[in-house]
Amino acid sequence: DAKTTQPPSMDCAEGRAANLPCNHSTISGNEYVYWYRQIHSQGPQYIIHGLKNNETNEMASLIITEDRKSSTLILPHATLRDTAVYYCIVSAYNYGQNFVFGPGTRLSVLP
Amino acid sequence: ETGVTQTPRHLVMGMTNKKSLKCEQHLGHNAMYWYKQSAKKPLELMFVYSLEERVENNSVPSRFSPECPNSSHLFLHLHTLQPEDSALYLCASSQDLVGKTTDTQYFGPGTRLTVL
Repeated sequence: DAKTTQPPSMDCAEGRAANLPCNHSTISGNEYVYWYRQIHSQGPQYIIHGLKNNETNEMASLIITEDRKSSTLILPHATLRDTAVYYCIVSAYNYGQNFVFGPGTRLSVLP
Repeated sequence: ETGVTQTPRHLVMGMTNKKSLKCEQHLGHNAMYWYKQSAKKPLELMFVYSLEERVENNSVPSRFSPECPNSSHLFLHLHTLQPEDSALYLCASSQDLVGKTTDTQYFGPGTRLTVL
């Protein structure tokens, strides 16, 4: 079972920031938070990951709370092409039975 | 383009057929994976290979048979499948396995399989 909880769906207006929450209250000290997304009928795509510090790359920012029990993925200027299912995964390793893709959040970016 | 290709992209087969799915990665990675994604279900990890050796087999029925002849290629041989095996089959690769938590998985586009 996934160790994370995400809202099943969210809407966001095009051009606005999309903030996707993830709860992972049972996270262990050696576990990372990974984010992937899957656009319809394609394979999942890596977005970002972090351990305890906030992270930013060209796609998104990841904000992890100080107690590490939750995190937020931020897409600063959402476009229609960001419409996808977003998966938050907690794991000590980048693979394996603990690297579980749960149901994710279906983000719809609206024009 | 992620550097991971899969062929065919679509496959329709009868329950008595034998077919194979192919995955190729052009990233110089050492680990490769097969996942299954059924309609309205999360991804399920099927097999993991590291340096051409199978390191994980998640209780997958024997009608699915993986093969990894080298670190760039991964096959999934299919034999006497059932209609409930219809799904999107995804291949992924990563640089390494254990100890490289900063590695990420790169997925191919998948093969959409329909079993009649």
